Amino acid sequence: GQNIDQPTEMTATEGAIVQINCTYQTSGFNGLFWYQQHAGEAPTFLSYNVLDGLEEKGRFSSFLSRSKGYSYLLLKELQMKDSASYLCAAMDSNYQLIWGAGTKLIIKP
Amino acid sequence: DGGITQSPKYLFRKEGQNVTLSCEQNLNHDAMYWYRQDPGQGLRLIYYSQIVNDFQKGDIAEGYSVSREKKESFPLTVTSAQKNPTAFYLCASSMSPGQHTGELFFGEGSRLTVL
Repeated sequence: GQNIDQPTEMTATEGAIVQINCTYQTSGFNGLFWYQQHAGEAPTFLSYNVLDGLEEKGRFSSFLSRSKGYSYLLLKELQMKDSASYLCAAMDSNYQLIWGAGTKLIIKP
Repeated sequence: DGGITQSPKYLFRKEGQNVTLSCEQNLNHDAMYWYRQDPGQGLRLIYYSQIVNDFQKGDIAEGYSVSREKKESFPLTVTSAQKNPTAFYLCASSMSPGQHTGELFFGEGSRLTVL
């Protein structure tokens, strides 16, 4: 079956670095997405990886290893506004997204 | 500004009533989607449409219906047959997969509560 696993909740300190991991199993693979979702709001796109390696975009970076079925989202210089849920989603061979349950990130001063 | 508009943002329904959630986009996207989000679970696909006058069932279509008469609009009806309709509903759109990364653009969501 198709499955996405990510931690339920993580806590980090303002100004620090945090890595949110995601493992996936899908029928075929057409890329891995990360979205940010603040409580009660719509998810917003953060990153897309389809090739192995690290993609950097400002304070956020995303990594993919296709052979390991593994991705992570790296957030640097954490700010209080980064407190949100981070959703990992893998696209299967039919271009359908399989979603993880999300990781709630709590930032403490 | 281009975007997706969902309405209403909050909706209360009595058991046995049908309700319709509106979703309109002006991004000229071909594909539109309805997701349901429950606490502790990933987004679950209800219905999707890749072209006008055509739509497909997602993983949890039972108790829901949709229509796609115009490219811009993809309303979702939650029928009385849906056993547990209280949830946060998200509408999204994307350029057709294969033409782009398939990135989804989401509306603000509609929170439905059954009394």
